[in-house]
Amino acid sequence: DGGITQSPKYLFRKEGQNVTLSCEQNLNHDAMYWYRQDPGQGLRLIYYSQIVNDFQKGDIAEGYSVSREKKESFPLTVTSAQKNPTAFYLCASSIGYPADPTDTQYFGPGTRLTVL
Amino acid sequence: AQSVTQPDIHITVSEGASLELRCNYSYGATPYLFWYVQSPGQGLQLLLKYFSGDTLVQGIKGFEAEFKRSQSSFNLRKPSVHWSDAAEYFCAVGLLNTDKLIFGTGTRLQVFP
Repeated sequence: DGGITQSPKYLFRKEGQNVTLSCEQNLNHDAMYWYRQDPGQGLRLIYYSQIVNDFQKGDIAEGYSVSREKKESFPLTVTSAQKNPTAFYLCASSIGYPADPTDTQYFGPGTRLTVL
Repeated sequence: AQSVTQPDIHITVSEGASLELRCNYSYGATPYLFWYVQSPGQGLQLLLKYFSGDTLVQGIKGFEAEFKRSQSSFNLRKPSVHWSDAAEYFCAVGLLNTDKLIFGTGTRLQVFP
């Protein structure tokens, strides 16, 4: 059954701690993305990766880091430098441009991170 | 700069009534346009997309959307809403020759029995 999995569904963190959110896909997609969702603000792009061992900053990369060592995995680390990390985090993947000109993105179920 | 506007933050309709959710975009080239739906605490599910060709696009769950270039709009419609359609709806524009999407801020749909 193909899809995108994110774990854990809920995550609690103490201030000053780093935490890593998992994202795995078995769709054989080249591109992967991390978004942050806050109420009333839609989705904002944190990082994206178009191919293994390469990634680019999105609009709100400060305080976050990523790696792309395998095609199917794109973990996101929320560092202690992120001042307001409490949010809903969504991972997505796509075939990638130019293989798919529309580059349709498909989303995982999300991880809700709460900083205590 | 590219942008997507969803003017309605919250819409309430009765079950069985028709629905139209508005989406306007600002983009210099022909856009790729998407509508996604999000149930509470869940990820986003693709409803439909416009790439080229017929400006009236059919999607899943009985939804359709019409691309109007002259109005820079891509409104989502459904002729008869079901209670299970209650969710948040996001319009997005894909930028030509990139992997990036720009999302609107979403419209929350509430359905009364």
